[in-house]
Amino acid sequence: IQLTQSPSLLSASVGDRVTLSCKGSQNINNYLAWYQQKLGEAPKLLIYNTNSLQTGIPSRFSGSGSGTDYTLTISSLQPEDVATYFCYQYNNGWTFGGGTKLELK
Amino acid sequence: EVQLVESGGGLVQPGRSLKLSCAASGFTFSDYNMAWVRQAPTKGLEWVASISYGGSNTHYGDSVKGRFTISRDNAKSTLYLQMDSLRSEDTATYYCAKRRVHYFDYWGQGVMVTVSS
Repeated sequence: IQLTQSPSLLSASVGDRVTLSCKGSQNINNYLAWYQQKLGEAPKLLIYNTNSLQTGIPSRFSGSGSGTDYTLTISSLQPEDVATYFCYQYNNGWTFGGGTKLELK
Repeated sequence: EVQLVESGGGLVQPGRSLKLSCAASGFTFSDYNMAWVRQAPTKGLEWVASISYGGSNTHYGDSVKGRFTISRDNAKSTLYLQMDSLRSEDTATYYCAKRRVHYFDYWGQGVMVTVSS
């Protein structure tokens, strides 16, 4: 399964509601996770099984979707959310999306 | 606190071998499946290999199948990646990752591998 993330680059302001998209080439059956990677750091798990929030992750992060289309939403963007976000599917093999780089406007 | 510390990276010539290690602590290592994931410079993430908690089941990405071997020593809480016949396209930061079911819940800080003559 191939994952396509859009947009590849997103500029937003502090306080904005931000939506990142991940589309699979086949049905993912909700076996999708989201990772945040800050510059020079290891990826951090945010969301698993489409909409389950990992322990310790702020509630402004949420996930949704079904079938081939999935979304990560940040309800109110904070400066510390500047990072690249990757989706990851584990329904059929294990593949990552190409990433969305989120920057402050 | 879960900690994963990779080591063994460096500069290696094409065709040579290198072995990475990942020392785990803060959890019962023998209870969890583990994996290696890599990231080429300025690129995305690529799953490389996975191993079951007992070590009997292994899986590999197509790009490394037949060249890389994942293994573990549960007595030492250590994960390994033996990389043979290295190519320039294997140049990447290699992350050790703890698996929860089929996704990765904790990652190490990564170790750089550069394949160049």
